[in-house]
Amino acid sequence: GEDVEQSLFLSVREGDSSVINCTYTDSSSTYLYWYKQEPGAGLQLLTYIFSNMDMKQDQRLTVLLNKKDKHLSLRIADTQTGDSAIYFCAADQTGANNLFFGTGTRLTVIP
Amino acid sequence: GAGVSQSPSNKVTEKGKDVELRCDPISGHTALYWYRQRLGQGLEFLIYFQGNSAPDKSGLPSDRFSAERTGESVSTLTIQRTQQEDSAVYLCASRVSGQNQPQHFGDGTRLSIL
Repeated sequence: GEDVEQSLFLSVREGDSSVINCTYTDSSSTYLYWYKQEPGAGLQLLTYIFSNMDMKQDQRLTVLLNKKDKHLSLRIADTQTGDSAIYFCAADQTGANNLFFGTGTRLTVIP
Repeated sequence: GAGVSQSPSNKVTEKGKDVELRCDPISGHTALYWYRQRLGQGLEFLIYFQGNSAPDKSGLPSDRFSAERTGESVSTLTIQRTQQEDSAVYLCASRVSGQNQPQHFGDGTRLSIL
């Protein structure tokens, strides 16, 4: 199956930008997703990008996709304390029914 | 409610007992997934249902795990003779049909095996 990797931790100061990175291995992945998980809750879909795009912006969120390097990033502008959570990158794979998830990046926002 | 509903939210049981976890998908969502999330780890796919098709059971870790779904309604995940390594959060997700449709997750059932 697909391997999706993320760094485990990121700390930023309130008001700064956060950049969470993700790499994946299957070049046939068509859709790539970012999910947010707050303590005790399930995963909340933040945004997703189709593989023929290299950027998608949605309010404070910017997703960048480098398909050649199989690298995905999520930028959160003007990071707030409410953004503290675990962020999961996920990729689909041709022929597979499920998504493949990274281990998640725990974002801590320092007031 | 409008979201995916899972019950119970927490379950503590003794090793060797059977447990049954329930998922109510969003109405109209034909696809339903079960995932396992161990502490500090990502999501591990368990099983996938799509309408009345045969389920994709390729992620089930052992024959102690089974799941059922009737049509496009409720699903139950059963773990028999639970072991301590089964302790995890079990997440259910549903989506409408179509490859690009995102999965919507419930809040999960936190299972603790003593």
